[in-house]
Amino acid sequence: NAGVTQTPKFQVLKTGQSMTLQCAQDMNHEYMSWYRQDPGMGLRLIHYSVGAGITDQGEVPNGYNVSRSTTEDFPLRLLSAAPSQTSVYFCASSPPLGSGANVLTFGAGSRLTVL
Amino acid sequence: AQKVTQAQTEISVVEKEDVTLDCVYETRDTTYYLFWYKQPPSGELVFLIRRNSFDEQNEISGRYSWNFQKSTSSFNFTITASQVVDSAVYFCALSERGYSSASKIIFGSGTRLSIRP
Repeated sequence: NAGVTQTPKFQVLKTGQSMTLQCAQDMNHEYMSWYRQDPGMGLRLIHYSVGAGITDQGEVPNGYNVSRSTTEDFPLRLLSAAPSQTSVYFCASSPPLGSGANVLTFGAGSRLTVL
Repeated sequence: AQKVTQAQTEISVVEKEDVTLDCVYETRDTTYYLFWYKQPPSGELVFLIRRNSFDEQNEISGRYSWNFQKSTSSFNFTITASQVVDSAVYFCALSERGYSSASKIIFGSGTRLSIRP
């Protein structure tokens, strides 16, 4: 099992550019989410999805868009990158029910730098 | 609204000392899950434990133990006889309504633990 796969691992953008961080999971998890990690701020929830076609905002959604057209994929779009979006981004997924309920499996992270 | 507070930003102890990481949470729900995750220097995030709101029994796993107290809204994590390999950032997290449906999972700001040889 590949688990949660994030691409790219590293990206440098100029202010105003747009890009998409890809996230795919092969565990048939219904719940997927995106977090950003900044020094001293912990993991802050950007957007999350409880199933295909359903998304909702987290703690810091501004400047980001998501969609969930399939169970497997949950891309994160930066519409117009800003230096404040320089961060490490983590995608995560979990099953909602059962023994593994709400236990997150994380991707390896994507380090984004906006100049 | 749900909130997780880890007041200890950094802790440094000498190897073999015991150390406790504090976690205080806020939620209006009566059913929820609490978690601890570890992030070693390599950067990956590793699940350690999940606790449901109906189970206040303390849990022990080797050198790790967890103390869940609903009366004080705390879910503290103790490492006994710490080792250098325990050096990492530790995150506490909270998920509301975890039994019947998926729900957003909120993390604290983390505690950086350094174990000195």
